[in-house]
Amino acid sequence: SQKIEQNSEALNIQEGKTATLTCNYTNYSPAYLQWYRQDPGRGPVFLLLIRENEKEKRKERLKVTFDTTLKQSLFHITASQPADSATYLCALVSASKIIFGSGTRLSIRP
Amino acid sequence: GAGVSQSPRYKVAKRGQDVALRCDPISGHVSLFWYQQALGQGPEFLTYFQNEAQLDKSGLPSDRFFAERPEGSVSTLKIQRTQQEDSAVYLCASSPQGARGTDTQYFGPGTRLTVL
Repeated sequence: SQKIEQNSEALNIQEGKTATLTCNYTNYSPAYLQWYRQDPGRGPVFLLLIRENEKEKRKERLKVTFDTTLKQSLFHITASQPADSATYLCALVSASKIIFGSGTRLSIRP
Repeated sequence: GAGVSQSPRYKVAKRGQDVALRCDPISGHVSLFWYQQALGQGPEFLTYFQNEAQLDKSGLPSDRFFAERPEGSVSTLKIQRTQQEDSAVYLCASSPQGARGTDTQYFGPGTRLTVL
């Protein structure tokens, strides 16, 4: 069956460092991959979309990579700030299906 | 409106009661999605509308769940004879185009349903 794993439930890093979150998937061939941010009590907010033929996408301090051979996406936040603390979700999109991972809770300590 | 709105924000129901959850998408958005999010999990797809047509309801967990979008704008998710396992946050999202998943989905704040 299709499965998505995000590297850990929680990640705790020092302000200013680069946060790296992982999304691995099996039994799936997504056409697109999206990353969302979710704060407590709120709906997810779209951050970035990367297509299967793209290796890397950047937006300000965010960078996403997509390796269809490894079946993995990495999400990087450079120069992390306490305001980046949230849960980050990856979502795989293929044909008419959208499947979300369970998320990684990121905490940036000052 | 500024974004997707959902009402009520919180709903407490006794087991066996029927509930109706409302979603107001962004005006003009063609696609509308419903998701169920359990605590500590990612959203799970329930159903998808393109305008008033329900094109995919494969994620609805049982025939107690029913969704409609009669005029292609506001949508209602109805749960009949609620059970404790229905307790979750129900999220609605809309997107501008009809091609599912290929553009940004805008999520509402969700309705937290607690079934006692």
